[in-house]
Amino acid sequence: EVQLVQSGAEVKKPGESLRISCKVSGYSFTTYWIHWVRQMPGKGLEWMGTIDPSDSYTYFSPSFQGHVSISVDRSISTAYLQWTNLKASDSAMYYCSRRGTAAATKNFFDSWGQGTLVTVSS
Amino acid sequence: QSVLTQPPSVSGAPGQRVTISCIGSSSNIGAYDVHWYQHLPGTAPKLLIYGNSNRPSGVPDRFSGSKSGTSASLAITGLQAEDETDYYCQSYDSSLSYVFGTGTKVTVL
Repeated sequence: EVQLVQSGAEVKKPGESLRISCKVSGYSFTTYWIHWVRQMPGKGLEWMGTIDPSDSYTYFSPSFQGHVSISVDRSISTAYLQWTNLKASDSAMYYCSRRGTAAATKNFFDSWGQGTLVTVSS
Repeated sequence: QSVLTQPPSVSGAPGQRVTISCIGSSSNIGAYDVHWYQHLPGTAPKLLIYGNSNRPSGVPDRFSGSKSGTSASLAITGLQAEDETDYYCQSYDSSLSYVFGTGTKVTVL
């Protein structure tokens, strides 16, 4: 069974750093790209960026480029989303997801983590 | 900001049919497939439809998707109380970004 299990809720202060994780199981970690999606309170889903776990190639939505980073640790099948200078506006739920593949289509997300709530407040 | 437009809400009585529209442009829906997710806020979103009209294993056939030109739609027939939650369309954009719809809340009357 494919599972993506995310780290627990975080409460941080503005300016602090944070790394949240997404541990996968049930498939070969390096085979499928991992994506991160944000949901701000009361708002919709926003795609942030993605990483190819096989070579750590990343690319981001212009809205998030330069503000977050994504990495992996292949030895423990885990992907990370990281901030170095949190802002109050980063308060949101963050989901990791796996890019699905099918015979005739791609670019969708077939499995998701349960979400990590990040609260940034002074 | 979302580039795919959905109605904020739709509603229907149990057993009825509801549809959710998703309007995009030639750079996203017009060029790429559309996928749909069911999402109860605070829980993991669930893939409902991929590749415009395909259901993953385990998704009831009450859910169906279609696409025409630069728009797509999700239909739910035989509406049930458990269907009351949020739904999002998603596609890819030629700007090399994945894009989601604005989201639609389905209410079962």
